[in-house]
Amino acid sequence: SYVLTQPPSVSVAPGKTASITCAGNNIGTKSVHWYQQRPGQAPVLLIYYDSDRPSGIPERFSGSSSGNTATLTISRVEAGDEADYYCHVWDSSSNHYVFGTGTKVTVL
Amino acid sequence: EVQLVESGGGLVQPGGSLRLSCAASGFTFSNFGMNWVRQAPGKGLEWLSYINKRSDTIYYADSFKGRFTISRDNAKNSLYLQMSGLRAEDTAVYYCARDEGPVPTIFGPWGQGTTVTVSS
Repeated sequence: SYVLTQPPSVSVAPGKTASITCAGNNIGTKSVHWYQQRPGQAPVLLIYYDSDRPSGIPERFSGSSSGNTATLTISRVEAGDEADYYCHVWDSSSNHYVFGTGTKVTVL
Repeated sequence: EVQLVESGGGLVQPGGSLRLSCAASGFTFSNFGMNWVRQAPGKGLEWLSYINKRSDTIYYADSFKGRFTISRDNAKNSLYLQMSGLRAEDTAVYYCARDEGPVPTIFGPWGQGTTVTVSS
């Protein structure tokens, strides 16, 4: 089965840039989506189709994907960005959705 | 406003069954595929199942095939998850999420979840 691996945690100071990776075999050939989940809340779509932002999502959030790694980048990090972040793909070879292992972002 | 509201969670004994519901409003439910996702306490997101708008395409994660059954009633704007043979490890918050494509593509709105606790 297809596996997506993320770092368990990322720590970043306010105003700095955080990068969260999502590793998967040839993930660059798939459409990657990212969700933000704040404590006690449901996930919210953050980035779709590798790099697009839904309306209402700040430009500080950006995404990219190539080869075996997709990356979510949070620029000018704010305290409110503390949350868990998950990458997500549809694996057409197995007809399964797959979530990444999740990354907890801590703002120092 | 798009709303998804899950219900039906609760405490169930090991080996028991439970039927979760997801009531949709604020959009044309019959135009969208739907998904169930769960999250065990302190753990990550786990996709369970997808059903397309006509119920003629259904997918399950391997771990749940045969134990969980997804269904929908477009006349009632509702999605369901019938769970049987429940185990302690099925304890989780269960979310429904709308699929945004004509085929499995991406999750849009999510419900707030319903909690299932499997314990004796």
